[in-house]
This record gives sequence, C-alpha cells and structure tokens, in this order.
Amino acid sequence: GAVVSQHPSRVICKSGTSVKIECRSLDFQATTMFWYRQFPKQSLMLMATSNEGSKATYEQGVEKDKFLINHASLTLSTLTVTSAHPEDSSFYICSAREIGGSFKPQHFGDGTRLSIL
Amino acid sequence: QKEVEQDPGPLSVPEGAIVSLNCTYSNSAFQYFMWYRQYSRKGPELLMYTYSSGNKEDGRFTAQVDKSSKYISLFIRDSQPSDSATYLCAMSASGGGSNYKLTFGKGTLLTVNP
Repeated sequence: GAVVSQHPSRVICKSGTSVKIECRSLDFQATTMFWYRQFPKQSLMLMATSNEGSKATYEQGVEKDKFLINHASLTLSTLTVTSAHPEDSSFYICSAREIGGSFKPQHFGDGTRLSIL
Repeated sequence: QKEVEQDPGPLSVPEGAIVSLNCTYSNSAFQYFMWYRQYSRKGPELLMYTYSSGNKEDGRFTAQVDKSSKYISLFIRDSQPSDSATYLCAMSASGGGSNYKLTFGKGTLLTVNP
C-alpha cells in the first residue's frame, strides 16, 4: 500500500518551455502533498507544501510564480515549472501524507529528472 | 549547527555485516523519526518510523530513538548487496500548522560488498 506515482520520470526540453509534473496517490487519499528538489549527492530540499483545495505554502527563497502548484483533489497535485531555464535542471520529487489529523509518514514518488537545454 | 546531522559516509561493509547508521538532532520538538532508503535515481522509500523514544524492529531492521541524547539509529542485520543505497533519516515535530514537515539528514551512502 501507500503508493505514490509521479509522472513523467524524465523530461528534456528547451529553455523557455513550461513543464508540468504530476503526483498521484494511488491507493490512499492525501491531505497534504509536498514538493522537493534534490541536487546530486545532496539531501532533499523542501520547495512547497500543498493542501487540497488551498494555496500552496512555499519555502523561503522558492519563487511561487516560477513553480506553480495545484492540488485539485485528494489524490493529485501538479507542479508546473514555468519558462524553465538550465538552472532549473534538477531532480524533483513529490510526497504525499495520508488524510487524517494525526501523524502519518510521507510516501514518495520516484521523482522526475528535468533537464533544460 | 544544523537541525539534523548525519555522517554522509560513504560506508562500505562486507555482506553479512551488521550496519549501524546514526543521526543526531538539536530540535527537542521532534517527536516522529523516520528512516528512508533511496536507491540511485529513485525516490526515498519509507523503511521505518517511530514515535518518541524506544526501539522498533522490522525483519532485519531495528530503529532506536534516544530523545534524551537527541540520537537515533538504524541497525541492519545480515546486510545484503541489495541494501546498497543512501539512507536518510528524517524527523518531524507535531502537526498544528506545520503539516508534519520533515527535516532530513544529508543521507549516508552505504555499499554492501558481496
């Protein structure tokens, strides 16, 4: 159980393109989904937290107009990297926390490797 | 001082060895403690999570939390080459407005040699 599907797994595109990444919880409903960025040989850096039906909360230094997050249902959140540039190339990972007020651990997708040429 | 400290390694052991992975932390508000395993080019996979101090065992894995020392450990018994991965500790304080955000260690790269 607790499977999170992230799509696409790999994107290569030209500078200036906008890229949408989907994160789905397949067998549970997720109150909260998180978006992370990971650089080679480094740990995960939280970008933003999204709750279903609410605006996302962005971490300090993350441009909300650059990284658009939509959490339209309890099983789907999307991250759109707008007008992507080479410096946006990275490994993006989403996670989902099961619905409920008490603690539930986050379950992660397999990430999206984004390369901007 | 970082909130969570984890030795990045790399750690190399022979097959069958007992592996000990550790993290220390400074935030006394942390109450939930997790260990994730991350294979190269994949997302982290939850191995175990514990609440407050104590031990938890699952197969070859044992997680220990000592809140008085702000120290957590993951032990892997009878290590296998398939255990070769990066191990990330993660911690969370209570919910409230935090949505149980996780604070991660840097990860320890483990290689188990056949």
